[in-house]
This record gives sequence, C-alpha cells and structure tokens, in this order.
Amino acid sequence: QVQLVQSGAEVKKPGASVKVSCKASGYTFTSYYMHWVRQAPGQGLEWMGIINPSGGSTSYAQKFQGRVTMTRDTSTSTVYMELSSLRSEDTAVYYCAKGLDYWGQGALVTVSS
Amino acid sequence: QSVLTQPPSASGTPGQRVTISCSGSSSNIGSNTVNWYQQLPGTAPKLLIYSNNQRPSGVPDRFSGSKSGTSASLAISGLQSDDEADYYCAAWDDSLNGWVFGGGTKLTVL
Repeated sequence: QVQLVQSGAEVKKPGASVKVSCKASGYTFTSYYMHWVRQAPGQGLEWMGIINPSGGSTSYAQKFQGRVTMTRDTSTSTVYMELSSLRSEDTAVYYCAKGLDYWGQGALVTVSS
Repeated sequence: QSVLTQPPSASGTPGQRVTISCSGSSSNIGSNTVNWYQQLPGTAPKLLIYSNNQRPSGVPDRFSGSKSGTSASLAISGLQSDDEADYYCAAWDDSLNGWVFGGGTKLTVL
C-alpha cells in the first residue's frame, strides 16, 4: 500500500532554513508527481509546489519562489522540501502528497526566537 | 483569503443530507476538475472525491460530488457522527499555474 513517511517536528529560529523529507513506498516512485502543501495552525491548506520525481523538474507557487527548493533522491524514493529565510508565519504542518491523492502524516515546523 | 470560496461551517443531524459549496472562477473550477478532501481532527487530509464526482476505492457512496460552471458541491447523505471533520475543495488554476484550495468547511453533526 502507498505510504509516505515524513521526517519529524522541527523548531527553527527566524532566518534559518528547514529541510523536510518524505520517503515513499508502495508504488513506482518516479511515476507520480509529489506535491507539498502546508497548513498553519487553525488555518486551511496552502499549495507550495510540485516536483517530478522522474526528472527532478519543479514548479513552485509564486508566494514561495526564491525561498523554497524541492529535490528528490530516486535511490531512496525520497523527496525533500527546503524552505529558507523562515519567519514566524511559516509555522505550519508541512505535508507531502503523491498526486494529491495520498498524503504523508505531516511535519510540524515551528519558527520561534 | 482563499481563491476558492467555501462556507466556514455546515451542520446536520444524523441521517440527514448536507451539501457544501465551493465557488471559483473561469481559471480554476470553470476549466479544471475539482477534488474534495476530508480532514479529521489532528490527521492529514484524505481524498474523498476526484475529477468532480469520482470516489476513490473505499470511500462510501454516501459521498458525492458535482460541478456546474464555476461552482462545485459535495453532498453527504445519511450523515454520521464520524463525518464530523473539515472539508476542502481544490482545483488547478490556469492563471496562477498552481493548485488552489478552498478555505475549508467545518462540518458539525448535531
């Protein structure tokens, strides 16, 4: 069965970067795009961008352009999302989602001084 | 401010039928298909409906979706206490070149 297992919770200071991982199993990793979606506390869902695990091409939401980098490692079926220049408003649960159908369990990133 | 507009709350009693609306524009719902997600408290979203009205395997047929023009709806019949959750609509937006979500609707089963 499809499983997306994300890395654990992180606490970062403003201005720092965070890198969240998402390890996929149960399907052909390179056959489906992976999305990243975040959810601030008590708020709705916000799409951040997408990566094609096959070739590594990416497309980011305009809001995150210049601050987000999505990469993948086909040898371990893992995708990564790195967000830089963190601010308090980036405090959220970050989800990876295969084709927006199966979702990881989420990774809480807290930005606090 | 979400690109897709949903009512913030909805409610119904067990056994009732409730509908949740999702309003968009020509660049998203008007030209692309709609997904619906259910998010139970403290869990990740779960795909409920894709391509406007298709249910993934395992999703009960009590859940149905429809789309007309630039709006979509999710209907839940035979409401159960387990249906108490947040529901989100989503669609690709051609102008933004990205996926957009509704602000979510909190469903309460009275």
